[in-house]
Amino acid sequence: AQSVSQHNHHVILSEAASLELGCNYSYGGTVNLFWYVQYPGQHLQLLLKYFSGDPLVKGIKGFEAEFIKSKFSFNLRKPSVQWSDTAEYFCAVRVSGGSYIPTFGRGTSLIVHP
Amino acid sequence: DAGVTQSPTHLIKTRGQQVTLRCSPKSGHDTVSWYQQALGQGPQFIFQYYEEEERQRGNFPDRFSGHQFPNYSSELNVNALLLGDSALYLCASSLDGANTGELFFGEGSRLTVL
Repeated sequence: AQSVSQHNHHVILSEAASLELGCNYSYGGTVNLFWYVQYPGQHLQLLLKYFSGDPLVKGIKGFEAEFIKSKFSFNLRKPSVQWSDTAEYFCAVRVSGGSYIPTFGRGTSLIVHP
Repeated sequence: DAGVTQSPTHLIKTRGQQVTLRCSPKSGHDTVSWYQQALGQGPQFIFQYYEEEERQRGNFPDRFSGHQFPNYSSELNVNALLLGDSALYLCASSLDGANTGELFFGEGSRLTVL
């Protein structure tokens, strides 16, 4: 079965700082990768996803993630964070195709100070 | 366009009791997945319902059961509650066959077991 590791559990940044959140997965086959975000008091929502093609994917609100197959990684990045990016970020992986269920990492809590 | 709705939003039970949580999927979606999110952890997959049947199940005991109705809404039942069942229970809907991998989450039902 696949598993996901998010190494940064808590990240605190000042506005305009750059962000990179780590995500590594373990599965030998083809996978689909996701980043979900949960803003305070809101539901989980999709930030971006990778299925195939260009390993650099762009999502909403200026976020991007790069799939590095050799490193089993799918790190989330943003060049300049804003106070409104304060949220929980979850990486998820699922076996490609069919009705496979995504497995979530434990999440990273990001606090951005104005 | 109605998103995923869950009820109740909060509830308190005592050990040994039983609880039923409810979920209405996003309009047009036919598949419902349930997740348990303990404090400081990522969502853990409980089970998925499609065509009124449990299609996949995670590593949860038989105390956890569910149901899907013809209108695609779903219930999660937990019997013989334990303190460790205290968590946020998330419902996520999707459209089978779309293969987008994206899950649409509700805001969850927070269960406290005393």
